[in-house]
Amino acid sequence: DAKTTQPNSMESNEEEPVHLPCNHSTISGTDYIHWYRQLPSQGPEYVIHGLTSNVNNRMASLAIAEDRKSSTLILHRATLRDAAVYYCIGGGTSYGKLTFGQGTILTVHP
Amino acid sequence: DTEVTQTPKHLVMGMTNKKSLKCEQHMGHRAMYWYKQKAKKPPELMFVYSYEKLSINESVPSRFSPECPNSSLLNLHLHALQPEDSALYLCASSPTGLAGATGVKNIQYFGAGTRLSVL
Repeated sequence: DAKTTQPNSMESNEEEPVHLPCNHSTISGTDYIHWYRQLPSQGPEYVIHGLTSNVNNRMASLAIAEDRKSSTLILHRATLRDAAVYYCIGGGTSYGKLTFGQGTILTVHP
Repeated sequence: DTEVTQTPKHLVMGMTNKKSLKCEQHMGHRAMYWYKQKAKKPPELMFVYSYEKLSINESVPSRFSPECPNSSLLNLHLHALQPEDSALYLCASSPTGLAGATGVKNIQYFGAGTRLSVL
């Protein structure tokens, strides 16, 4: 499984963009990069995934470095509801297995 | 419907009790998972079922016994647990858990969990 490194915590103000970084330097060439988040008192929730190209969906954007050793999850306008622990999972998804790292606690200030 | 339903939401049990956790999904997913999450820690995988067969057991003690009666239902039978087993137990499902499945086929949908306290 690829080891991921994320900041322990980050803070943002409401309505501002948030860039959450993740390093996954040991990721293999065929492994996807997945992001999940866990809101308080809930199970993890899928956010986005990608392989090589940048990806957008209704929740966020994922920017993947050209060498695939790092990626950035972008929340374009943070809301209070986005306060959560964000997990980056680089590889380790064969047989459906997700190996969660420590994640980044995102605090959003009104 | 993208819902994974776990029951009960809370469970308190003694070390000599036998109890079961239940997980249900109706998305037609063929892979289901049990995770354990201690406070302020990330979820840790326990078991994976793929097409109703146990495909991964992450060296979980035998006091935890999973069961997959059909493709929509996943149980976790608990017996002779220890206080250190107190945790949030999460169930998840995904379209497929097959080797080589990538991308959208691996997206996991989680339930809200069962918070277990062992006294």
